[in-house]
Amino acid sequence: NAGVTQTPKFRVLKTGQSMTLLCAQDMNHEYMYWYRQDPGMGLRLIHYSVGEGTTAKGEVPDGYNVSRLKKQNFLLGLESAAPSQTSVYFCASSSRTSGSLQRPEQFFGPGTRLTVL
Amino acid sequence: AQKVTQAQTEISVVEKEDVTLDCVYETRDTTYYLFWYKQPPSGELVFLIRRNSFDEQNEISGRYSWNFQKSTSSFNFTITASQVVDSAVYFCALRSSYGQNFVFGPGTRLSVLP
Repeated sequence: NAGVTQTPKFRVLKTGQSMTLLCAQDMNHEYMYWYRQDPGMGLRLIHYSVGEGTTAKGEVPDGYNVSRLKKQNFLLGLESAAPSQTSVYFCASSSRTSGSLQRPEQFFGPGTRLTVL
Repeated sequence: AQKVTQAQTEISVVEKEDVTLDCVYETRDTTYYLFWYKQPPSGELVFLIRRNSFDEQNEISGRYSWNFQKSTSSFNFTITASQVVDSAVYFCALRSSYGQNFVFGPGTRLSVLP
């Protein structure tokens, strides 16, 4: 199992450009998340999804859009990148909690380092 | 509302010292999960341990040990005989048994000096 993968690993954009970050998981998890982590800071939730075709806003959703057309994929889009979006982006997935859940933790991808000039 | 507090922003120790990282949480849920993650300088987030609110048994794994005390809403992490490779940011996290939300603490940056 690859777990959670993210594409690309690094990206440099100019202000105003757009891009899409791809997250894929092979654990059949219902829930998926996008976080950003600024230097020396903790994780901030951008958007999340509780299932295919559904998405919801997190703590810092402005400037981002997401889509979950397939259960295993969660895309994060930046329509018009700004320098304030320079950050490391982490995707994560987790199982739905029910009964005696064996592994309730989040599984994280390796991160995407994005720089907006 | 749920909240996780890691009051220690940064800790520096000399190699071979023991160090405890504090985690205090708030939740109204009767059942929940607690976690610790490690983020080394390379940047990835590494899962270390989970604890179910039903299980207050302490856990030891090599040089790592975790002390879960429901009475004080704490889930502290101790590294015995620290090593330089333990240098990282450590995050404590909370998840209700019902739902998808995880709440992370702000992290504690541990520096182990040779």
